[in-house]
Amino acid sequence: QQQVKQSPQSLIVQKGGISIINCAYENTAFDYFPWYQQFPGKGPALLIAIRPDVSEKKEGRFTISFNKSAKQFSLHIMDSQPGDSATYFCAANRRTSYDKVIFGPGTSLSVIP
Amino acid sequence: DGGITQSPKYLFRKEGQNVTLSCEQNLNHDAMYWYRQDPGQGLRLIYYSQIVNDFQKGDIAEGYSVSREKKESFPLTVTSAQKNPTAFYLCASSGTQNTDTQYFGPGTRLTVL
Repeated sequence: QQQVKQSPQSLIVQKGGISIINCAYENTAFDYFPWYQQFPGKGPALLIAIRPDVSEKKEGRFTISFNKSAKQFSLHIMDSQPGDSATYFCAANRRTSYDKVIFGPGTSLSVIP
Repeated sequence: DGGITQSPKYLFRKEGQNVTLSCEQNLNHDAMYWYRQDPGQGLRLIYYSQIVNDFQKGDIAEGYSVSREKKESFPLTVTSAQKNPTAFYLCASSGTQNTDTQYFGPGTRLTVL
Protein backbone atom coordinates (compact mmCIF):
# COMPACT_ATOMS: atom_id res chain seq x y z
CA GLN A 1 0.00 0.00 0.00
CA GLN A 2 2.90 2.33 0.70
CA GLN A 3 4.82 1.46 -2.46
CA VAL A 4 5.31 3.71 -5.48
CA LYS A 5 6.15 1.83 -8.66
CA GLN A 6 8.18 3.48 -11.41
CA SER A 7 9.05 2.50 -14.97
CA PRO A 8 11.16 2.17 -16.98
CA GLN A 9 14.27 1.55 -14.91
CA SER A 10 16.38 3.14 -17.63
CA LEU A 11 15.61 5.15 -20.72
CA ILE A 12 17.62 6.28 -23.72
CA VAL A 13 16.21 9.11 -25.83
CA GLN A 14 17.63 11.02 -28.75
CA LYS A 15 18.12 14.75 -28.44
CA GLY A 16 14.89 16.53 -29.29
CA GLY A 17 12.72 13.53 -28.44
CA ILE A 18 10.13 13.06 -25.70
CA SER A 19 11.10 11.25 -22.51
CA ILE A 20 8.24 9.60 -20.62
CA ILE A 21 8.49 8.13 -17.13
CA ASN A 22 5.51 6.45 -15.50
CA CYS A 23 4.61 5.94 -11.86
CA ALA A 24 1.80 4.18 -10.05
CA TYR A 25 0.66 4.12 -6.46
CA GLU A 26 -1.81 2.13 -4.38
CA ASN A 27 -2.51 4.23 -1.31
CA THR A 28 -5.47 6.48 -2.18
CA ALA A 29 -4.57 8.68 0.80
CA PHE A 30 -1.59 10.04 -1.12
CA ASP A 31 -2.35 13.52 -2.34
CA TYR A 32 0.94 15.17 -3.19
CA PHE A 33 3.21 13.89 -5.94
CA PRO A 34 6.65 15.49 -6.42
CA TRP A 35 9.30 14.57 -8.97
CA TYR A 36 12.99 14.85 -8.14
CA GLN A 37 15.96 15.06 -10.50
CA GLN A 38 19.37 13.74 -9.46
CA PHE A 39 22.64 14.24 -11.32
CA PRO A 40 25.50 11.78 -10.70
CA GLY A 41 27.23 12.34 -7.38
CA LYS A 42 24.71 14.98 -6.30
CA GLY A 43 21.66 15.07 -4.09
CA PRO A 44 18.18 15.03 -5.67
CA ALA A 45 16.41 18.33 -6.28
CA LEU A 46 12.70 19.02 -6.68
CA LEU A 47 11.78 19.32 -10.35
CA ILE A 48 8.00 19.67 -10.37
CA ALA A 49 5.07 18.56 -8.22
CA ILE A 50 1.33 18.03 -8.64
CA ARG A 51 -1.75 17.67 -6.47
CA PRO A 52 -4.59 15.34 -7.56
CA ASP A 53 -7.09 18.14 -8.06
CA VAL A 54 -5.46 18.89 -11.41
CA SER A 55 -4.81 16.49 -14.29
CA GLU A 56 -1.76 18.20 -15.70
CA LYS A 57 0.93 20.63 -14.68
CA LYS A 58 3.51 22.11 -17.00
CA GLU A 59 6.73 23.91 -16.21
CA GLY A 60 8.80 24.70 -19.27
CA ARG A 61 9.65 21.44 -21.04
CA PHE A 62 8.50 19.33 -18.08
CA THR A 63 4.89 18.17 -17.73
CA ILE A 64 3.25 15.96 -15.12
CA SER A 65 0.09 14.12 -16.17
CA PHE A 66 -2.09 12.73 -13.40
CA ASN A 67 -4.81 10.07 -13.66
CA LYS A 68 -6.52 9.83 -10.29
CA SER A 69 -8.87 6.97 -11.19
CA ALA A 70 -5.99 4.84 -12.45
CA LYS A 71 -3.71 5.94 -9.61
CA GLN A 72 -1.00 6.75 -12.11
CA PHE A 73 1.09 9.79 -12.92
CA SER A 74 3.80 10.44 -15.45
CA LEU A 75 6.56 12.87 -16.30
CA HIS A 76 7.00 14.02 -19.87
CA ILE A 77 10.16 15.83 -20.92
CA MET A 78 9.66 17.55 -24.25
CA ASP A 79 12.56 18.37 -26.58
CA SER A 80 14.89 16.30 -24.39
CA GLN A 81 18.45 17.63 -24.12
CA PRO A 82 21.73 15.96 -23.12
CA GLY A 83 21.67 18.15 -19.99
CA ASP A 84 18.49 16.34 -18.93
CA SER A 85 20.50 13.13 -18.50
CA ALA A 86 19.95 12.26 -14.84
CA THR A 87 18.03 9.94 -12.55
CA TYR A 88 14.41 10.88 -11.98
CA PHE A 89 12.43 9.85 -8.90
CA CYS A 90 8.70 10.12 -8.53
CA ALA A 91 7.35 10.33 -5.01
CA ALA A 92 4.12 10.48 -3.06
CA ASN A 93 2.94 11.52 0.37
CA ARG A 94 -0.09 12.80 2.26
CA ARG A 95 -0.67 16.49 2.90
CA THR A 96 -3.08 16.11 5.79
CA SER A 97 -0.78 14.54 8.32
CA TYR A 98 2.89 14.05 8.74
CA ASP A 99 3.97 11.00 6.82
CA LYS A 100 7.25 10.17 5.25
CA VAL A 101 7.66 10.71 1.53
CA ILE A 102 7.59 7.46 -0.46
CA PHE A 103 10.03 7.48 -3.36
CA GLY A 104 9.89 5.36 -6.49
CA PRO A 105 13.02 3.35 -7.41
CA GLY A 106 14.15 5.88 -10.00
CA THR A 107 14.64 6.06 -13.78
CA SER A 108 18.04 6.66 -15.30
CA LEU A 109 17.60 8.87 -18.37
CA SER A 110 20.29 9.26 -21.01
CA VAL A 111 19.73 11.76 -23.80
CA ILE A 112 22.08 11.11 -26.70
CA PRO A 113 23.05 13.73 -29.29
CA ASP B 1 24.05 31.24 1.15
CA GLY B 2 21.19 29.09 2.38
CA GLY B 3 21.41 25.38 2.03
CA ILE B 4 22.21 22.01 3.44
CA THR B 5 25.75 20.73 3.75
CA GLN B 6 27.16 17.27 4.31
CA SER B 7 30.68 16.32 5.21
CA PRO B 8 32.84 14.65 4.30
CA LYS B 9 32.09 14.03 0.63
CA TYR B 10 34.00 10.74 0.67
CA LEU B 11 34.62 8.58 3.72
CA PHE B 12 36.52 5.35 4.10
CA ARG B 13 36.06 3.11 7.09
CA LYS B 14 37.59 -0.09 8.26
CA GLU B 15 35.29 -2.92 9.24
CA GLY B 16 34.32 -2.78 12.89
CA GLN B 17 34.63 1.01 13.18
CA ASN B 18 31.84 3.45 13.90
CA VAL B 19 31.75 6.56 11.75
CA THR B 20 29.71 9.76 11.97
CA LEU B 21 28.40 11.67 8.96
CA SER B 22 27.70 15.35 9.39
CA CYS B 23 24.59 17.20 8.16
CA GLU B 24 24.00 20.90 8.74
CA GLN B 25 21.26 23.18 7.41
CA ASN B 26 20.71 26.92 7.65
CA LEU B 27 17.24 26.90 6.09
CA ASN B 28 15.51 27.11 9.47
CA HIS B 29 13.74 23.83 8.71
CA ASP B 30 12.20 21.83 11.52
CA ALA B 31 12.35 18.44 9.79
CA MET B 32 15.50 16.56 8.80
CA TYR B 33 16.04 13.16 7.21
CA TRP B 34 18.70 10.61 6.39
CA TYR B 35 18.44 8.40 3.33
CA ARG B 36 20.60 5.64 1.98
CA GLN B 37 21.03 5.17 -1.76
CA ASP B 38 22.58 2.09 -3.30
CA PRO B 39 23.63 1.87 -6.99
CA GLY B 40 20.60 1.74 -9.25
CA GLN B 41 18.22 1.91 -6.33
CA GLY B 42 15.90 4.46 -4.88
CA LEU B 43 16.07 6.31 -1.60
CA ARG B 44 15.54 4.37 1.59
CA LEU B 45 14.73 6.28 4.75
CA ILE B 46 17.03 5.60 7.70
CA TYR B 47 15.88 8.12 10.35
CA TYR B 48 13.92 11.34 10.43
CA SER B 49 13.34 14.12 12.93
CA GLN B 50 10.52 16.60 13.01
CA ILE B 51 11.78 18.62 15.95
CA VAL B 52 14.81 19.06 18.16
CA ASN B 53 15.42 16.23 20.62
CA ASP B 54 13.02 13.92 18.82
CA PHE B 55 13.56 11.45 16.00
CA GLN B 56 11.93 8.33 14.55
CA LYS B 57 13.21 5.23 12.82
CA GLY B 58 12.69 4.92 9.12
CA ASP B 59 12.60 1.73 7.06
CA ILE B 60 16.22 0.66 7.56
CA ALA B 61 17.32 2.04 10.94
CA GLU B 62 19.19 -1.08 12.15
CA GLY B 63 22.90 -0.40 12.55
CA TYR B 64 22.46 3.38 12.52
CA SER B 65 21.95 6.03 15.20
CA VAL B 66 21.20 9.75 15.13
CA SER B 67 20.90 12.74 17.42
CA ARG B 68 19.08 16.03 17.08
CA GLU B 69 20.45 18.34 19.76
CA LYS B 70 20.26 21.44 17.58
CA LYS B 71 17.77 22.48 14.93
CA GLU B 72 20.55 22.96 12.40
CA SER B 73 22.32 19.65 12.87
CA PHE B 74 21.36 15.99 12.40
CA PRO B 75 24.45 13.74 12.47
CA LEU B 76 24.22 10.08 11.49
CA THR B 77 26.43 7.43 13.06
CA VAL B 78 27.00 4.25 11.09
CA THR B 79 27.86 1.63 13.67
CA SER B 80 29.77 -1.59 13.33
CA ALA B 81 26.40 -3.36 13.60
CA GLN B 82 25.51 -2.20 10.10
CA LYS B 83 26.46 -5.23 8.01
CA ASN B 84 26.65 -3.58 4.61
CA PRO B 85 27.37 0.12 5.13
CA THR B 86 28.99 0.93 1.78
CA ALA B 87 26.52 3.35 0.12
CA PHE B 88 25.74 6.94 -0.77
CA TYR B 89 24.14 8.75 2.19
CA LEU B 90 21.85 11.70 1.66
CA CYS B 91 20.62 14.17 4.24
CA ALA B 92 17.55 16.31 3.60
CA SER B 93 15.52 18.94 5.39
CA SER B 94 12.07 20.44 4.97
CA GLY B 95 9.35 22.38 6.66
CA THR B 96 6.75 20.29 8.44
CA GLN B 97 3.95 20.75 5.91
CA ASN B 98 3.73 17.78 3.57
CA THR B 99 3.84 20.00 0.53
CA ASP B 100 7.11 21.47 1.70
CA THR B 101 9.96 20.55 -0.58
CA GLN B 102 12.66 18.29 0.75
CA TYR B 103 16.03 19.92 0.13
CA PHE B 104 18.87 17.45 -0.19
CA GLY B 105 22.52 17.84 0.64
CA PRO B 106 25.27 16.78 -1.79
CA GLY B 107 25.70 13.41 -0.13
CA THR B 108 28.49 11.43 1.52
CA ARG B 109 29.87 8.33 -0.17
CA LEU B 110 30.92 5.83 2.49
CA THR B 111 33.16 2.93 1.58
CA VAL B 112 34.06 0.16 3.98
CA LEU B 113 37.49 -1.29 3.31
